[in-house]
Amino acid sequence: QVVLQQWGAGLLKSSETLSLTCAVQGESLTDYYWTWIRQSPGRGLEWIGEISHRGDTDYNPSLKSRVTMSIDTSENQFSLRLTSVTAADTAIYYCARGRAPVVVTAVFNPWGPGTLVTVSS
Amino acid sequence: QSVLTQPPSASGTPGQRVTISCSGSSSNIGGNYVFWYQQVPGAAPKLLIYSNDRRPSGVPDRFSGSKSGTSASLAISGLRSEDEADYYCATWDDSLRAVFGGGTKLTVL
Repeated sequence: QVVLQQWGAGLLKSSETLSLTCAVQGESLTDYYWTWIRQSPGRGLEWIGEISHRGDTDYNPSLKSRVTMSIDTSENQFSLRLTSVTAADTAIYYCARGRAPVVVTAVFNPWGPGTLVTVSS
Repeated sequence: QSVLTQPPSASGTPGQRVTISCSGSSSNIGGNYVFWYQQVPGAAPKLLIYSNDRRPSGVPDRFSGSKSGTSASLAISGLRSEDEADYYCATWDDSLRAVFGGGTKLTVL
């Protein structure tokens, strides 16, 4: 059974950098892409991006200039950094196991529990 | 404003069949698989339907998905109180990102 646990700072000020990490239990990072998704009342569910075990990344074009994802296969973890945050970045951030490398799809299974990140001005 | 369009709400009584629609375009649903997610209050979304009409193990066969052209639908038969949740459709878009619907809140009356 694959279980994702995530952590990171939950309260930020405008212009600071959001940093979250997701640890994967029960599965090697090798066979899938690993994703970050956020959810807010105003923007709904928003795909942030994905990373492979080799470090190949794809980011949402709307966030690309501020997003960096990284992966640590030795620790079976992957991370998200989002720079220059504003109140519009306030959301619940989820990590999730994504697609297999063969085909591009919107499969996310399972999801982590989510981390509420609040940005104050 | 979400790329995929869903009705904001749906409702039904126990035992009824309800359907939730998801409308997109040729750049997303028209050329890609559709996925459905169920989110109960306070929890993360959970995969309910994958590749248009497939159910992950553990998902009751009361849930079914379909796709036609640039639209998709989720059907729930034999509605139960525990089905009360938010439902989201998702697919890949040619703009190089995954996209979601705005979600449908299902109420079991």
